[in-house]
Amino acid sequence: AQSVTQLDSQVPVFEEAPVELRCNYSSSVSVYLFWYVQYPNQGLQLLLKYLSGSTLVKGINGFEAEFNKSQTSFHLRKPSVHISDTAEYFCAVSDDTQGAQKLVFGQGTRLTINP
Amino acid sequence: DAGITQSPRHKVTETGTPVTLRCHQTENHRYMYWYRQDPGHGLRLIHYSYGVKDTDKGEVSDGYSVSRSKTEDFLLTLESATSSQTSVYFCAMRQKSGNTEAFFGQGTRLTVV
Repeated sequence: AQSVTQLDSQVPVFEEAPVELRCNYSSSVSVYLFWYVQYPNQGLQLLLKYLSGSTLVKGINGFEAEFNKSQTSFHLRKPSVHISDTAEYFCAVSDDTQGAQKLVFGQGTRLTINP
Repeated sequence: DAGITQSPRHKVTETGTPVTLRCHQTENHRYMYWYRQDPGHGLRLIHYSYGVKDTDKGEVSDGYSVSRSKTEDFLLTLESATSSQTSVYFCAMRQKSGNTEAFFGQGTRLTVV
């Protein structure tokens, strides 16, 4: 069974600084990886996803993530954050087996942007 | 909007009472999920469905049951609510398994007093 670990529960950064949110996964088979964002009092929406091909994936709002199979990681990055990026971010994994149905989430990372 | 709604959005109930949360989708997606969100735990899967009348347990299914009699509706029932079930509940849908993203409802905040 797959699992996801988000290494930081909270990340405070200053506005216009770069940020990296870390995600490691565990799975015995090929996986699909996702990052979701949750703004206060809202549901989750997709930021980006890795399915196959290029290991560098670009998403909405200037975010990108890099899939590293050897390190089983899928870290999320943004070169310059804005106040509006304040939210909780979730990494998720789904595996590649036939009939795979579950989408497993990490514990979440709360990103706080300080002016 | 992704075509998935939850009701009610907020509910306060007493310990020991039954509670049913409803998830309704208009996208004819095959897979539906119920998660609970708690601080420090992220989203944990309660139950999921892979078709009408086809459901299975997730990692935190104790105390919960589900039903899916129609493609568009996925109900989550707390048979006898406990304070440990105070949480925010999210429903999600996926068109296919594996490499497709999930679309989420807005959540239901349930308080058991």
